[in-house]
Amino acid sequence: DVKVTQSSRYLVKRTGEKVFLECVQDMDHENMFWYRQDPGLGLRLIYFSYDVKMKEKGDIPEGYSVSREKKERFSLILESASTNQTSMYLCASRTTGLYTFGSGTRLTVV
Amino acid sequence: QKEVEQDPGPLSVPEGAIVSLNCTYSNSAFQYFMWYRQYSRKGPELLMYTYSSGNKEDGRFTAQVDKSSKYISLFIRDSQPSDSATYLCALENSGNTPLVFGKGTRLSVIA
Repeated sequence: DVKVTQSSRYLVKRTGEKVFLECVQDMDHENMFWYRQDPGLGLRLIYFSYDVKMKEKGDIPEGYSVSREKKERFSLILESASTNQTSMYLCASRTTGLYTFGSGTRLTVV
Repeated sequence: QKEVEQDPGPLSVPEGAIVSLNCTYSNSAFQYFMWYRQYSRKGPELLMYTYSSGNKEDGRFTAQVDKSSKYISLFIRDSQPSDSATYLCALENSGNTPLVFGKGTRLSVIA
């Protein structure tokens, strides 16, 4: 089974902090994705990557950046956290149309 | 018009009921159709995956795709309390583009 591991289940950060969310997959998938999930808004795509050192903006990239230095690791960076970035963050990897999600990181910005 | 529309519910049914969950979509380029189940405080997990129109059955679950109507359904027979979760439809076209998700329907099965 593919495993997608997100480093933290719960995080509390202060406004203005730089926040790193880490995601690691163990099946050599080329494609990786970051979503945020909010009540009433569903899953929204932040950034995705089709290969190492490649990145593409999703639907809501503002306030975020990403890093993919190694195939198995895809990091989401909140440059200066704000309260409207309080959300559930989900990482996924893909092979042949099948996505596998991590368990999510619930981030609270205070 | 949004690409994918899904009624958010919540939907509450008694144990043993047949559940019908639906999504409509506007982009005829979608060719791959998926249903994900998400339990509270967990990530979504793939439940059903179909390509093209027709039915696909897996135990108590049946996925149905009608491309001419741009309508997809998930049926759950003999629903159980353990089926209580949020169900998300997800669609992908033939290109190398990310999945488009519905907003999810929250289902509660009452014992």
